[in-house]
Amino acid sequence: DAEITQSPRHKITETGRQVTLACHQTWNHNNMFWYRQDLGHGLRLIHYSYGVQDTNKGEVSDGYSVSRSNTEDLPLTLESAASSQTSVYFCASSDPGQNTGELFFGEGSRLTVL
Amino acid sequence: SQQGEEDPQALSIQEGENATMNCSYKTSINNLQWYRQNSGRGLVHLILIRSNEREKHSGRLRVTLDTSKKSSSLLITASRAADTASYFCARFYGNNRLAFGKGNQVVVIP
Repeated sequence: DAEITQSPRHKITETGRQVTLACHQTWNHNNMFWYRQDLGHGLRLIHYSYGVQDTNKGEVSDGYSVSRSNTEDLPLTLESAASSQTSVYFCASSDPGQNTGELFFGEGSRLTVL
Repeated sequence: SQQGEEDPQALSIQEGENATMNCSYKTSINNLQWYRQNSGRGLVHLILIRSNEREKHSGRLRVTLDTSKKSSSLLITASRAADTASYFCARFYGNNRLAFGKGNQVVVIP
């Protein structure tokens, strides 16, 4: 079965360190998204990509970057982790051909920045 | 109800009862979707209703959409303990992107 996997599932890091969260999907979807989930804020869009070499900023992109070198992967990098980036991060993908926006989510990566 | 600036709502019900949760939005939509999130897990798509539809059913789920009031509701009939989760509405606003509400937490007591 097709799926979307995130790693690591849990990570603790220190302020100022660079962190990369991996996202790999086998749906062959062109669209991929990164969200963060925080209490009181719901899900907020960080970055998204509509295909290889395409990346776009979402509503909370400061301090984050992504790159898309193939269809399957969209890693999320925190250049210099800050305590405000402690959150649960979700990767998702969608099939643009469906034109519904329906998202398939990974299980999430819980990041703690000390 | 869910909307951009409201706090998440919590609902506690007995098994077998119906659970209703609401969602409002401020701009036009192409479709509106509902997702479920079990504790510690990712979101799972439940049901989608298009802007030209007023009601849709899927198993024990019923979703309604009132575009004049910019609101939607999700009804879960005959709830089960396994329905304990957070439920999110999401507005499809084009360019293949969704905007999520803050969620409703539902606890079904066995």
